[in-house]
Amino acid sequence: GNSVTQMEGPVTLSEEAFLTINCTYTATGYPSLFWYVQYPGEGLQLLLKATKADDKGSNKGFEATYRKETTSFHLEKGSVQVSDSAVYFCALSGVDSNYQLIWGAGTKLIIKP
Amino acid sequence: NAGVTQTPKFRVLKTGQSMTLLCAQDMNHEYMYWYRQDPGMGLRLIHYSVGEGTTAKGEVPDGYNVSRLKKQNFLLGLESAAPSQTSVYFCASSPSGGGAGGLREQYFGPGTRLTVT
Repeated sequence: GNSVTQMEGPVTLSEEAFLTINCTYTATGYPSLFWYVQYPGEGLQLLLKATKADDKGSNKGFEATYRKETTSFHLEKGSVQVSDSAVYFCALSGVDSNYQLIWGAGTKLIIKP
Repeated sequence: NAGVTQTPKFRVLKTGQSMTLLCAQDMNHEYMYWYRQDPGMGLRLIHYSVGEGTTAKGEVPDGYNVSRLKKQNFLLGLESAAPSQTSVYFCASSPSGGGAGGLREQYFGPGTRLTVT
C-alpha cells in the first residue's frame, strides 16, 4: 500500500542555517506529493505541492522536488528564520485513492536565534 | 471567505458524556474529513465524506459517528466519551477530482482541543 516516511524530529537549527527535511514514499504510479506546515496552536496549511515527476514545488523560500527515481520529496530552505519553527508534514495522494491523503508522522523544526 | 471553521475551540468532558463537534466550510468543497492529532502520532483519519449525505470510515472510526446532512457542514459525534478520546480534532475539506495525480489539497480548520476526564 501507499506510505510516507519522514525523518524523525525534532530538528534544531540556528537562524540562517540550511534546512533539509527528508521525505520518502511508497506508491504505485505517479502520486501527487504535498508538504503541509502547522504553526503552534494552529491547523495545518499547505506549504507546497508537486503533481508529476521532476516538478519543483516552492513557497515562502521552501522548495521540494518530486524525484521518481528515488521516491523522495525532500523539503529544503536555504536560510531558515525563527518564524519557520513549526511541524512539517509530508503527504501523498495516490492514483488509486482520490479521497484520502497518506500522511507522514510530521517533523518538528526548532530554529534558535 | 472564512474557509473551514470549527466549533467549539476547546471542550472538557467527563467520561460517558456526549458531544458534537461542528465543522463548516464555505468553499463549496465536495470532500470533508475529520482527523485526530495526538502527540507523536501525526494525523489519523476518523471519518470522511465524499458528498452530501455520504460518510465513510477512516483509520480510527470506533467511538465516533458523523453526519453530512448539508454540503457545507460535517458533524462529528462522541456518544460516550472516553479518556482515550482526549485529542486535538481537525476538520478539513477538499474540492473533488484530481486527475491523474489524485486528490487536490486539503484545507484545514483551526482545531478543537478536547479533554476527557
